[in-house]
Amino acid sequence: QKEVEQDPGPLSVPEGAIVSLNCTYSNSAFQYFMWYRQYSRKGPELLMYTYSSGNKEDGRFTAQVDKSSKYISLFIRDSQPSDSATYLCAMSPSGNTPLVFGKGTRLSVIA
Amino acid sequence: DVKVTQSSRYLVKRTGEKVFLECVQDMDHENMFWYRQDPGLGLRLIYFSYDVKMKEKGDIPEGYSVSREKKERFSLILESASTNQTSMYLCASRHPVPTGELFFGEGSRLTVL
Repeated sequence: QKEVEQDPGPLSVPEGAIVSLNCTYSNSAFQYFMWYRQYSRKGPELLMYTYSSGNKEDGRFTAQVDKSSKYISLFIRDSQPSDSATYLCAMSPSGNTPLVFGKGTRLSVIA
Repeated sequence: DVKVTQSSRYLVKRTGEKVFLECVQDMDHENMFWYRQDPGLGLRLIYFSYDVKMKEKGDIPEGYSVSREKKERFSLILESASTNQTSMYLCASRHPVPTGELFFGEGSRLTVL
């Protein structure tokens, strides 16, 4: 079983839709959870950061962590064509250990 | 904002050549990382460094080495490039604990012929 599983997509949605992106993981020691957005031919950029369980909201983006289910989600409300990118989840047990990444989900938002 | 700069965006090299990929960060971070990214394989950790002159092997260190002579600079070296090292290489530096966010450069796309 891989440490972090992420559906690669591609996921195609109409503009204005609510998008749900998810990752599951097997290591119960993970405490730090991040979502990165990567545009084509660019480096990943940090989108959301969450420590331990709970929700975090930033504009149209909401990150959720459910440690009991070992499941994290990223919700995008009112999706825009500019949200079209690959979204990577990442996590680690501590701030000092390397992050473990999912393989990324490719999202296309169609105008 | 944290800035991680990779010196070369696109490189084309021949098999057997020695290749240097340079990375500089401007936030005085102690931790720096080199990844490669390939379709279907995701991000794979090659090497990382917790401090100057320190290095640790990641998941796929074979065929690579690194150098960290100064805190802000972390170099990836391919001693003898091979075609299977054609990839996107990403450098990152990490914010200190407790947050530990990772910040990436724009990437270096290496093609080995």
